[in-house]
Amino acid sequence: AQKITQTQPGMFVQEKEAVTLDCTYDTSDPSYGLFWYKQPSSGEMIFLIYQGSYDQQNATEGRYSLNFQKARKSANLVISASQLGDSAMYFCAMREPYDITGGGNKLTFGTGTQLKVEL
Amino acid sequence: ETGVTQSPTHLIKTRGQQVTLRCSSQSGHNTVSWYQQALGQGPQFIFQYYREEKNGRGNFPPRFSGLQFPNYSSELNVNALELDDSALYLCASSLDPESGANVLTFGAGSRLTVL
Repeated sequence: AQKITQTQPGMFVQEKEAVTLDCTYDTSDPSYGLFWYKQPSSGEMIFLIYQGSYDQQNATEGRYSLNFQKARKSANLVISASQLGDSAMYFCAMREPYDITGGGNKLTFGTGTQLKVEL
Repeated sequence: ETGVTQSPTHLIKTRGQQVTLRCSSQSGHNTVSWYQQALGQGPQFIFQYYREEKNGRGNFPPRFSGLQFPNYSSELNVNALELDDSALYLCASSLDPESGANVLTFGAGSRLTVL
């Protein structure tokens, strides 16, 4: 069964500093996708970054980068130059390969990390 | 392009009642997924509809049912509400479910409180 583990319930970071949010995953499938979403207090899940299991390079999207270590089954999110607006809940998620139970878009989420950016 | 919109944003029901939540998918998307997010937890997959047919279901009882319409909007119905059904219900739309880096676009959710 797929599993996502986020061991940091809460993190604090100073404005303009970089922060790393940890994510480890467990799967027996060779093909999978890893996502990071941001959830502000408004509730909407905002897509940040995606990493495919066969991608050779770590994904980057602006200030977000994904430190993908396949052998260690980790997919940590790095936010550079933190801003006050980055304060939110962050979820790591894994998409299973297409199958009859999940239909191809089933995401398994971790429990999230609450990030607080301070002045 | 418009994103995913959900209604109602908040609602309060009592045990045993029934509720219908609605979702309009993002323009151009033909797949809708529903997730339940209990307080302090990550979202959990309920089911998915692709071109009006259910093609995936999570570990939720039959009290949870759904529908997708020809315009790809969707409904989530929950019968015989229980206290544990209190949660944020998130709808997400996407393109063809088998495509590679298929990103789910989420709505802001419907927050259900069951008393």
